[in-house]
Amino acid sequence: AQSVSQHNHHVILSEAASLELGCNYSYGGTVNLFWYVQYPGQHLQLLLKYFSGDPLVKGIKGFEAEFIKSKFSFNLRKPSVQWSDTAEYFCAAKVTGGFKTIFGAGTRLFVKA
Amino acid sequence: NAGVTQTPKFQVLKTGQSMTLQCAQDMNHNSMYWYRQDPGMGLRLIYYSASEGTTDKGEVPNGYNVSRLNKREFSLRLESAAPSQTSVYFCASSEDGGARQPQHFGDGTRLSIL
Repeated sequence: AQSVSQHNHHVILSEAASLELGCNYSYGGTVNLFWYVQYPGQHLQLLLKYFSGDPLVKGIKGFEAEFIKSKFSFNLRKPSVQWSDTAEYFCAAKVTGGFKTIFGAGTRLFVKA
Repeated sequence: NAGVTQTPKFQVLKTGQSMTLQCAQDMNHNSMYWYRQDPGMGLRLIYYSASEGTTDKGEVPNGYNVSRLNKREFSLRLESAAPSQTSVYFCASSEDGGARQPQHFGDGTRLSIL
């Protein structure tokens, strides 16, 4: 069955620390991959997406993610986090051309000022 | 700049009651989605509508029905609510161009079934 796994449910970092959130997917065929973010009290929003091409994808607010096909992974990174990055982050995937986007369980990030 | 609007924002039901959650988008998007969000489980797709007049099952469709009456509106109906349906429900839409993943989300409806 198709699935998306996120390694950490809760992460606590100090400002300026580097961030890496793990994501693995289980899919057959070609996949599209996404990271979404939900800031406190706000809508879910798309952070970045990978469809094809360069496996290193850059998104908004200095985030990036790397697609490693051999590891079925799409980890999210940011070199230096800010207090305003406190949010819940969701990895998601779908089959290319399909509509069924499957989400991971989410990782709650808390950044200490 | 309404985007995706969901009503109601909160609702408490008794087991066995029925209810329809409303969703409307003003962005002229073709595709719309209903998700539920539960602690520790992320978002799970209930139903989606690729275009006006079409609907398809997602991961967890049992106990739900949907209607896509026009391009703007996509409603979710619980015919006989059960405590297991206590959740936060999100409606989403996506623009054309083959994106086909949810891009714009509503504020959510917090539903409690007693």
